[in-house]
Amino acid sequence: NAGVTQTPKFQVLKTGQSMTLQCAQDMNHEYMSWYRQDPGMGLRLIHYSVGAGITDQGEVPNGYNVSRSTTEDFPLRLLSAAPSQTSVYFCASSQTAFNSYEQYFGPGTRLTVT
Amino acid sequence: KQEVTQIPAALSVPEGENLVLNCSFTDSAIYNLQWFRQDPGKGLTSLLLIQSSQREQTSGRLNASLDKSSGRSTLYIAASQPGDSATYLCAVRRRDSSYKLIFGSGTRLLVRP
Repeated sequence: NAGVTQTPKFQVLKTGQSMTLQCAQDMNHEYMSWYRQDPGMGLRLIHYSVGAGITDQGEVPNGYNVSRSTTEDFPLRLLSAAPSQTSVYFCASSQTAFNSYEQYFGPGTRLTVT
Repeated sequence: KQEVTQIPAALSVPEGENLVLNCSFTDSAIYNLQWFRQDPGKGLTSLLLIQSSQREQTSGRLNASLDKSSGRSTLYIAASQPGDSATYLCAVRRRDSSYKLIFGSGTRLLVRP
């Protein structure tokens, strides 16, 4: 299993540009989520999904969209990039079978908005 | 609102020492608690998962305990090694329909040779 994969690893955007961060998992996990990690702020939840076709907002959803058309993929879209969105983005998935909910993380995408 | 606090924020110890990292949370209605390790510039690696009905979990030199009633968890690292140097994060999963994972801000550990 590849686990949780994210692309790209690094990205530089100009203010106002849009882009999609890709996330995929091959563990058949139902629960997937996106976090951003900033110095001094810890990890903050952006959006999450409890299964295909179901998404919901986390703590800091503004400026981001998500969709979940398949169990495997959970892309994060930045609609109009702003310098405040400069951060490291982590995708994660959780096994819900047997009520485990153990969380696994991808390697992250380091995004800089200029 | 669930808040997770980790103390100390940073810790430096000589190699071979046994050490304890602390995690506290404000709402005892949790589903589980998970400890992670993060190396600089890398993602998070799961170390131990403790379900709310459990009191402790062990993996190798690591032992994590959970006391829901007092809102505390500890991560015990035995015979520390320089390779243990990393940031350690604890996170609690809410016991509601969201199952959101709430993170502490981490303890940065340096094990000196």
